[in-house]
Amino acid sequence: KQEVTQIPAALSVPEGENLVLNCSFTDSAIYNLQWFRQDPGKGLTSLLLIQSSQREQTSGRLNASLDKSSGRSTLYIAASQPGDSATYLCAVRSNSGNTPLVFGKGTRLSVIA
Amino acid sequence: GAVVSQHPSRVICKSGTSVKIECRSLDFQATTMFWYRQFPKKSLMLMATSNEGSKATYEQGVEKDKFLINHASLTLSTLTVTSAHPEDSSFYICSAGGGPGSAFFGQGTRLTVV
Repeated sequence: KQEVTQIPAALSVPEGENLVLNCSFTDSAIYNLQWFRQDPGKGLTSLLLIQSSQREQTSGRLNASLDKSSGRSTLYIAASQPGDSATYLCAVRSNSGNTPLVFGKGTRLSVIA
Repeated sequence: GAVVSQHPSRVICKSGTSVKIECRSLDFQATTMFWYRQFPKKSLMLMATSNEGSKATYEQGVEKDKFLINHASLTLSTLTVTSAHPEDSSFYICSAGGGPGSAFFGQGTRLTVV
């Protein structure tokens, strides 16, 4: 059974810092991995999607890497801003069919102005 | 991009009553939709898979008679929490799509049973 772990559970940084969020998964046979942002009491906003054949994806100040063989992904946020404060969720899909995602518990990020 | 609409976004109901949550795919057809639940400070956990035209598939520990799922069309799935109790208070969220692309999520529904 796939399990997804995110470290740290919570993180507080001053504005402007670069930071890394970590995600690991137990079964390396994934189809893709997706990073989401969740604001308190809100739904999910997709940030980056990495297919299993890819090593990284970039969008603006965000960069996600994937090391499928070791079961790890990282989300790098450059020049953090107070508006980046949210919970960041990592999720994996096991195959190419219309299958559900398995989520980590998330990392709660606070960026202090 | 594809959009999934879910409503209501927030509902408060009395213990013992039933609540229906709707999940619609707005610009694509979804033969399969997923319902997740998230308790405070916990991860999203899959509750059930909603299949258009057939019975839903429930995860272990989820009562199918309590959480009724109807997927009567290619763009609509509903989740009805029957005889709700305070322990059913949670954040419920649906998703559709997937495959090569990303999964699209609704806005979520915050259910509070008093």
